[in-house]
Amino acid sequence: ETGVTQSPTHLIKTRGQQVTLRCSSQSGHNTVSWYQQALGQGPQFIFQYYREEENGRGNFPPRFSGLQFPNYSSELNVNALELDDSALYLCASSSGQANTEAFFGQGTRLTVV
Amino acid sequence: GDSVTQMEGPVTLSEEAFLTINCTYTATGYPSLFWYVQYPGEGLQLLLKATKADDKGSNKGFEATYRKETTSFHLEKGSVQVSDSAVYFCALDEIRDNRLAFGKGNQVVVIP
Repeated sequence: ETGVTQSPTHLIKTRGQQVTLRCSSQSGHNTVSWYQQALGQGPQFIFQYYREEENGRGNFPPRFSGLQFPNYSSELNVNALELDDSALYLCASSSGQANTEAFFGQGTRLTVV
Repeated sequence: GDSVTQMEGPVTLSEEAFLTINCTYTATGYPSLFWYVQYPGEGLQLLLKATKADDKGSNKGFEATYRKETTSFHLEKGSVQVSDSAVYFCALDEIRDNRLAFGKGNQVVVIP
C-alpha cells in the first residue's frame, strides 16, 4: 500500500499571495487531517476532512480552507499569506475508525517572505 | 480545551543512558495518548500509544504508562542509542478520531 505523500516539498511565497498544498492519503483511508508546525513547536490541528466534508476545525482563521476529493486526496489553501504562516504543513490520513493510527506525510515547508 | 505539556528544553545524553521525557495533559474526558517521533527531514511516526488508564504502550525499547491520577504519560527508555536522536512529541486524542493535540516536543541528542 502507498503511504501519505505531500506536494510540493518546499515552496516560497510572498506576503499577500495564495498557496495550495496537496496531500494524497494512504490507500483505504477516507480521513485527512492537516496540521501547521511552526519552527520549534508541536503541530497544531488546522482541520479534518472525512468523506469530502469538513469534520472539525482548530483555531485557524477562515483564510485557511480545504477540500477533499472523491479519491480522498486533499488540498489545503491559504489566502492572503502572512509572514507567520511560514511553517511545515503536515497532513495525516486515517481510516475513520476509532482508535486507529494516523499516518503522516513528510510535510510541505512553506516560507513566506 | 485539551492540552499537552512537555518538559522544557532539549535533552542531551550519552549512549546507553536512561531517558525520561515528561508529559502531562489536560482533557475533559478520557483521551487516547500517544508519543510520536520526528527524525530530521521526516514526518511524524507513531512510536507508541495507550487508550485507557494504566495501559502501557511500548515499542523499540520505549515505554509509557497512562496515569489518569497524575494525568501523565512519561516516555522512558532504559538504554538509548545514537539512532534515537530525534524530536519526540506527546499527543492526545480526546474523541479518538485522530484530531490530535500535540505538546511542543523535546529534541533528544544522544552522544556516542
